[in-house]
Amino acid sequence: DAKTTQPNSMESNEEEPVHLPCNHSTISGTDYIHWYRQLPSQGPEYVIHGLTSNVNNRMASLAIAEDRKSSTLILHRATLRDAAVYYCILRGNNAGNMLTFGGGTRLMVKP
Amino acid sequence: GAVVSQHPSRVICKSGTSVKIECRSLDFQATTMFWYRQFPKQSLMLMATSNEGSKATYEQGVEKDKFLINHASLTLSTLTVTSAHPEDSSFYICSATPGGPSGNTIYFGEGSWLTVV
Repeated sequence: DAKTTQPNSMESNEEEPVHLPCNHSTISGTDYIHWYRQLPSQGPEYVIHGLTSNVNNRMASLAIAEDRKSSTLILHRATLRDAAVYYCILRGNNAGNMLTFGGGTRLMVKP
Repeated sequence: GAVVSQHPSRVICKSGTSVKIECRSLDFQATTMFWYRQFPKQSLMLMATSNEGSKATYEQGVEKDKFLINHASLTLSTLTVTSAHPEDSSFYICSATPGGPSGNTIYFGEGSWLTVV
């Protein structure tokens, strides 16, 4: 599986936007970019995914670079409940439904 | 939406005993489910792939005789930790998906905390 690189941790103020970066320079043409987050003592929760175009949903936006070698998860207004570990994961056609988790980014939100 | 549920959410067992954790897909059928283990402050590590009606596929370093997986129906997979030891204490998480291309969402259970004393 292609590898992703994320900062270990980031800090944000409540009600401010947060941009969580992810580098995936070895991404293949058929890899989807998935983002999951994990709140303390819970299973991971789906956030968003995309292939080439930017994506928006009620939780977040996903901005994908034109060369697809990086992406950014955007939380438009961080809340205290958004404090979690955010995982950027590539999922290829041959990976089935298995996900390989990297270290993720621990987001801390300050009131 | 699709939901995956685990039971129990927390369990404490004595060293040497066995404990079973269930993973259910509540409103969809899953021919494949996955079991992960997560130690404190670490990421999730895939343990095995649970295949309905056939043997599970284990990742390297995971003992199949210790972590028994049964996927008897399209909505239920069970993980049994046999002869549990304190080092098996961990957060166990399962996942499943309604299937389809790799763009489909994968759903995770709430996780099960196992403490072996």
